[in-house]
Parts: sequence; C-alpha cells; structure tokens
Amino acid sequence: DADVTQTPRNRITKTGKRIMLECSQTKGHDRMYWYRQDPGLGLRLIYYSFDVKDINKGEISDGYSVSRQAQAKFSLSLESAIPNQTALYFCATQLGGGEKLFFGSGTQLSVL
Amino acid sequence: GQQLNQSPQSMFIQEGEDVSMNCTSSSIFNTWLWYKQEPGEGPVLLIALYKAGELTSNGRLTAQFGITRKDSFLNISASIPSDVGIYFCAGRMGGGSNYKLTFGKGTLLTVNP
Repeated sequence: DADVTQTPRNRITKTGKRIMLECSQTKGHDRMYWYRQDPGLGLRLIYYSFDVKDINKGEISDGYSVSRQAQAKFSLSLESAIPNQTALYFCATQLGGGEKLFFGSGTQLSVL
Repeated sequence: GQQLNQSPQSMFIQEGEDVSMNCTSSSIFNTWLWYKQEPGEGPVLLIALYKAGELTSNGRLTAQFGITRKDSFLNISASIPSDVGIYFCAGRMGGGSNYKLTFGKGTLLTVNP
C-alpha cells in the first residue's frame, strides 16, 4: 500500500463548483504539504502544515483552503473552481527535523 | 522568493549516452535534493546532498553539491529507457524550523531505445 495516498486520482469539474482533494498518510510524519504542478513551471507550494490545526500559506494560496484535522490527513479545497486551477496536485509529507519530502501519486484536476 | 534555474529544460538522447543536468541559484543553499518523476506518479527522492563539495552516487546516478553552495549537478551514466521522466532539483536555504524546499522547474528526459 502507498504511504501517501491521494484521492481522487482524476477529477473533472465545472467552473464555480467546490472541490475537495484528500490526502492521507501512514508514514507518521508530522508535516504535510500541498503542491501544484503545471507544465514548465515545476512544483509550487500552495499550503503546508507542521501539525494538527497548524496551517501556513505557501506561494500560491489564493483560491485554495486546507484543513488538517488529524495528523494523517490533509485536505485541499477549491471553494469556487476556475479553469486556471486545472493542474496536477501533489500532497507530500515530511518528518519534522528532516528535509526529505515524500509525495503521493497526484490528483489531475480539470476545471471546465 | 528564492529561485532555482534548472537546465536543460528537456533532453532527447540515445540509450547508452551519459546525461548531465544542473541547478543554479543566486542564493546559498544548505541542502540539495534530486527527485525523479515518472509519468502518472509523484516525484521520488534520488539523492540528497548536505555539504559543499559532496559527491554522492546512487547506482548510475551521481550528484554533486557545488563548492559555492549555489549550484548542484546530476549525472546519469549509460542511460536506459527507464530513465525517462522529469528530474527536479530542490534546495533548502535555512536551518532551524525552515525546512521548506524550493524546486527547480524540472528537466524532461527522453531516452530513445
């Protein structure tokens, strides 16, 4: 089983809809991250959390929100999806005190 | 914010050839990491570097932490088709609780059998 699991793997939605992407981990790591990947732009940080209830904005947080209600789960929400949020989204975990990130397999989101 | 310039953006090579790619920055980094992303998957850590001048190998892959601490290099020897993917460099500047990474934009590698 994957250590970092993202659901769904693919999602197609319409402009204006609310969308939630889920991430769960069995690695026991305290830190969790959400990244967005666009072709040619690499990985950009949306939000991150160092512990339950701890939320921090990344470089592109506008239009997104997150929730960390349990150590193993970190969800990303798009309150009102727009087409330029079409991208590949990755969740990652990190053990506090270390720098290595461990990524999930990604969620491909398309907003029509 | 910090920026990493990764080059080349893409490479198309023949099986058996050696590959070199690099990341540079105007800022000093304390840690360099190299990741590989295969189609349909998330990035997977290949090599981590912690000291200026450090040279570390992982099979056919070798990475170096530049002595200026502003760059890092990844070499792949005798490439094979399964080397195909996007290679990302990532750097960490600070110490203490600042463990956020800055990523390069990636190098897309295609290997022709």
